[in-house]
Amino acid sequence: NAGVTQTPKFRILKIGQSMTLQCTQDMNHNYMYWYRQDPGMGLKLIYYSVGAGITDKGEVPNGYNVSRSTTEDFPLRLELAAPSQTSVYFCASSYGQGYNQPQHFGDGTRLSIL
Amino acid sequence: QQPVQSPQAVILREGEDAVINCSSSKALYSVHWYRQKHGEAPVFLMILLKGGEQKGHEKISASFNEKKQQSSLYLTASQLSYSGTYFCGTESSLYQAGTALIFGKGTTLSVSS
Repeated sequence: NAGVTQTPKFRILKIGQSMTLQCTQDMNHNYMYWYRQDPGMGLKLIYYSVGAGITDKGEVPNGYNVSRSTTEDFPLRLELAAPSQTSVYFCASSYGQGYNQPQHFGDGTRLSIL
Repeated sequence: QQPVQSPQAVILREGEDAVINCSSSKALYSVHWYRQKHGEAPVFLMILLKGGEQKGHEKISASFNEKKQQSSLYLTASQLSYSGTYFCGTESSLYQAGTALIFGKGTTLSVSS
């Protein structure tokens, strides 16, 4: 049972480039989340999804886009990379409503934008 | 609306105890606790629900004071494996009710032998 799988694990981008961070889960969870983590700042929610075809903005959505065409996959798109988007990105999923179910995290993608 | 954690950092020797606090400015139905080791993903520890129900997997205890909108995580007889950063997560009115959490900035715990 793989859980939540994120690819790539590391990536260096140039300013203005675009990329997609992949996230897939095999637990049949309806709820999925994208967070970014900067040193000393905790986890900030970028986007979340409550099911296939349904997404909503989190706390820091600017500069990112998401889609959820299947239950398993929840990719995060950076359109025009900026140095401020250098961070560690975590994808997570939960079985049911976020307030009473554990979130399962992927191993993260470490992204540097130079 | 971000919950406030205290202290920011704790340094312990093996066998000592620690308490990590999480306070919110809004009424809470639940509080989550996660631990993250350096360079790794956060790992679920427990959920505390209004009314006293507790869900957890590890030998770490916690309390939830609904009236004070606070939760405390108790680490007793600490082990080296307890080292890491502890995050609490609470619901936020930023999101549809019950859908997502907002996390505190974390408390870093260092346990030495």
